[in-house]
Amino acid sequence: QMTQSPSSVSGSVGDRVTITCRASEDIGNWLVWYQQKPGKAPVVLIYGATTLQGGVPSRFSGSGSGRDFILSINSLQPEDIATYYCQRVNDFPVTFGGGTKVEIK
Amino acid sequence: EVQLLESGGDLAQPGGSLRLSCAASGFTFSSYAMNWVRQAPGKGLEWVSTITSSGDRTYYADSVKGRFTMSRDNSKGTLYLQLSRLRAEDTAVYYCAQYRGSSTRTSDYWGQGTLVTVSS
Repeated sequence: QMTQSPSSVSGSVGDRVTITCRASEDIGNWLVWYQQKPGKAPVVLIYGATTLQGGVPSRFSGSGSGRDFILSINSLQPEDIATYYCQRVNDFPVTFGGGTKVEIK
Repeated sequence: EVQLLESGGDLAQPGGSLRLSCAASGFTFSSYAMNWVRQAPGKGLEWVSTITSSGDRTYYADSVKGRFTMSRDNSKGTLYLQLSRLRAEDTAVYYCAQYRGSSTRTSDYWGQGTLVTVSS
C-alpha cells in the first residue's frame, strides 16, 4: 500500500511544490517516481528514492527512506503540469501510489 | 530506438477473453523483464504483472491473479497478456513496459497503450 498526498496541488510558476508518499512498511530506498502527462505514458523521474534519472531537470529531487518519501519540484514550470506517481519496487506487488495532480495557479 | 507496440485491445463482454500483444524492438528483448501496467479511464496507474527475462517466473496483482496470464516469446520479441473472466473493472488502457528488475527497478520504456473495454 502506497499513500500519496495531496491528491492535487496548485502552485504558481517559480514555486516549490512537494508531494509525499508513505509506504505501509519499510521499503528501504526502493522507490521510483514517475511523471505522466495527459494522453502519454509515464516517464521515470527518480529511482532509488533519491537518484535523478538521466535527462530529468535538476529542479526535481527526491528524498526519504524507509516509509516516508518526498518528491520536490523547485521552481515549478508550466511544462511540469502532470500527474506524479510513486511506486514501491522492493518486492512484488510493485504498487503505485494514487497519484498527485500538479496544476498551475 | 526502443519501441514497444501493444495490440489486441477491443470491446469484450463480461466473462469473456482477450489476448494482448506487445511487439518489442530496438533492444535485446530476451535480456529484460517486462511489465504490464493498466490505467482505467480517468484513474491512476495500476501494476498488473511482471515476467522475468527468461519467462520462468511471473508475478500478478491480486486483482487479476487466476484470471490473467502473462507470457513471452523471446524468439519473436513479443510479450503477451491473456485476459480471461473479464470484469467491467478491467476496462483500462493496458501498457507494456520494459523493466530493469535487476538494477534500478524502473520501467524506462513504455508502449502507447491498448484500450480494453469490458461491457455488455
